Amino acid sequence: DQQVKQNSPSLSVQEGRISILNCDYTNSMFDYFLWYKKYPAEGPTFLISISSIKDKNEDGRFTVFLNKSAKHLSLHIVPSQPGDSAVYFCAASAGDAGNMLTFGGGTRLMVKP
Amino acid sequence: DAGITQSPRHKVTETGTPVTLRCHQTENHRYMYWYRQDPGHGLRLIHYSYGVKDTDKGEVSDGYSVSRSKTEDFLLTLESATSSQTSVYFCAITGHANEQFFGPGTRLTVL
Repeated sequence: DQQVKQNSPSLSVQEGRISILNCDYTNSMFDYFLWYKKYPAEGPTFLISISSIKDKNEDGRFTVFLNKSAKHLSLHIVPSQPGDSAVYFCAASAGDAGNMLTFGGGTRLMVKP
Repeated sequence: DAGITQSPRHKVTETGTPVTLRCHQTENHRYMYWYRQDPGHGLRLIHYSYGVKDTDKGEVSDGYSVSRSKTEDFLLTLESATSSQTSVYFCAITGHANEQFFGPGTRLTVL
């Protein structure tokens, strides 16, 4: 059973608008959450993270929101740009030895000019 | 750039043959990881290492073994490749704030 789920396999957004990518998790032991961006034929690139002691973290155009009671996090990209078109993965860790990450299945974001 | 390279970048092999993938890092990181990426599954952890000769299993370790004889190198071996091991394999290291940085990947096809 997948502990981290991204229920939308794809999302299409107009350039300049907001992109919202969602992620749900089931393991209440997860205490650190990350978002990665992946272009074809490249490795995932770290975007932004959030600790469970916070409910929001912002870095430029990217903001991650965490709702612990709902076991839900989201990534907001404002404004969206064509270069943001990629697959986005959310990931979670339980702070145990090795910092092992559990990934969601990914959401393909397409930003149209 | 986290200084991670993977070799080979592409490989085609036949069922039943052994295959070794190499991950090399230049920044003396303690933790290293091997993941595989498959459609709909995101990335799944195969094995990880927390130091020279210290390794442990991940979520999908069956059919894979690893070795780490030097800090900078982490090897993933498929003792007898199967078609279900056709995938893209990524190596990663842990950064200072617990984020992981990934290599460019190895695309493996088992015929």
